[in-house]
Amino acid sequence: GNSVTQMEGPVTLSEEAFLTINCTYTATGYPSLFWYVQYPGEGLQLLLKATKADDKGSNKGFEATYRKETTSFHLEKGSVQVSDSAVYFCALRRGSTLGRLYFGRGTQLTVWP
Amino acid sequence: GAGVSQSPRYKVAKRGQDVALRCDPISGHVSLFWYQQALGQGPEFLTYFQNEAQLDKSGLPSDRFFAERPEGSVSTLKIQRTQQEDSAVYLCASSLDRVGEEKLFFGSGTQLSVL
Repeated sequence: GNSVTQMEGPVTLSEEAFLTINCTYTATGYPSLFWYVQYPGEGLQLLLKATKADDKGSNKGFEATYRKETTSFHLEKGSVQVSDSAVYFCALRRGSTLGRLYFGRGTQLTVWP
Repeated sequence: GAGVSQSPRYKVAKRGQDVALRCDPISGHVSLFWYQQALGQGPEFLTYFQNEAQLDKSGLPSDRFFAERPEGSVSTLKIQRTQQEDSAVYLCASSLDRVGEEKLFFGSGTQLSVL
């Protein structure tokens, strides 16, 4: 089947700390991988994506590399800010065409000044 | 509109009542999805429309759940005889259906509480 496993939260960091949120997946074929972010009171937003092995998605200082050998797509940021406080969801979609997303359960990140 | 709009924002229903949740996608978006997000969980797929055609309803948890999009724009998710386990946030998302334009835009959701 298709599934995503995320590290459990909550994650609490001081401003400028290094962030890693682990994500591993199980999928048939060659899925596309995504990170979505949900800021307080807002809808889910696409943060970054990667559609094939060894691709690196990046946006707003966040990065994630599609690792087929370890079936992982870990989210990283070198220096977090208070404004990064949100819930982060890892997700996959089978193949490259439009279709349903399979989400992880989310990781709450809180950054303190 | 500027984004995906969902209404109502909050809905409280007594067990056994029927509810209808509305989604206004971004104008011109062909694809529309419904997801259910229980507290502390990630969104779970319910159903998918391409224009007015419901192409995938495999995620609907029971025959009490019904979705429609009769004119290929606004969609309604209806839940009949609501149960406490239906309490969740219901998310709608839309997208242009073109290669390279698969980005999903999500609404803020409708929070349903069944008492």
